[in-house]
Amino acid sequence: DTAVSQTPKYLVTQMGNDKSIKCEQNLGHDTMYWYKQDSKKFLKIMFSYNNKELIINETVPNRFSPKSPDKAHLNLHINSLELGDSAVYFCASSRAGIMNEQFFGPGTRLTVL
Amino acid sequence: DAKTTQPNSMESNEEEPVHLPCNHSTISGTDYIHWYRQLPSQGPEYVIHGLTSNVNNRMASLAIAEDRKSSTLILHRATLRDAAVYYCILRENNNDMRFGAGTRLTVKP
Repeated sequence: DTAVSQTPKYLVTQMGNDKSIKCEQNLGHDTMYWYKQDSKKFLKIMFSYNNKELIINETVPNRFSPKSPDKAHLNLHINSLELGDSAVYFCASSRAGIMNEQFFGPGTRLTVL
Repeated sequence: DAKTTQPNSMESNEEEPVHLPCNHSTISGTDYIHWYRQLPSQGPEYVIHGLTSNVNNRMASLAIAEDRKSSTLILHRATLRDAAVYYCILRENNNDMRFGAGTRLTVKP
């Protein structure tokens, strides 16, 4: 069974479009995250959700919005896509607490044309 | 602002031990030291973590300096599958995990 899954794996779209990436975890974790890995391979945290409450919000444009319908899902919505949004986006989950490991999904490669 | 310093790259021969260093001179007393690795075209995966004492698990060992300003991830017998980027991360109170550039490990057969 896949612990953290993301769909789609690849997403190619035009500038200005709105798109969503879905993330699901079946580990019973109460905290979920979104990371962005750019072309230079730097991984940066974008959001984390704990019990439906946003607890980290980095300097991410408000075009990006995480939505959590329940504890097992944290979807990423992106409005008005820009060229610079092209990257690999990783979802992760963990139990709360800095001692607990994060489990990452396989990533979604977003290409904005 | 990852607060850790690692060599950009290292090479190892298959079946030999690998010592991956990490400097974190500004570590605070409550920071945990975590190591993750990212295999090609995959998401990061947890390797090991520690606070003060050395730690062992099935994947690796973590040796932490007495002053905690540096640590070393030890892979006892490198395999080709261990070729990856290894990230040393300090974890603070708010669950925030900030990745640096990591060390790209190449394993030669």
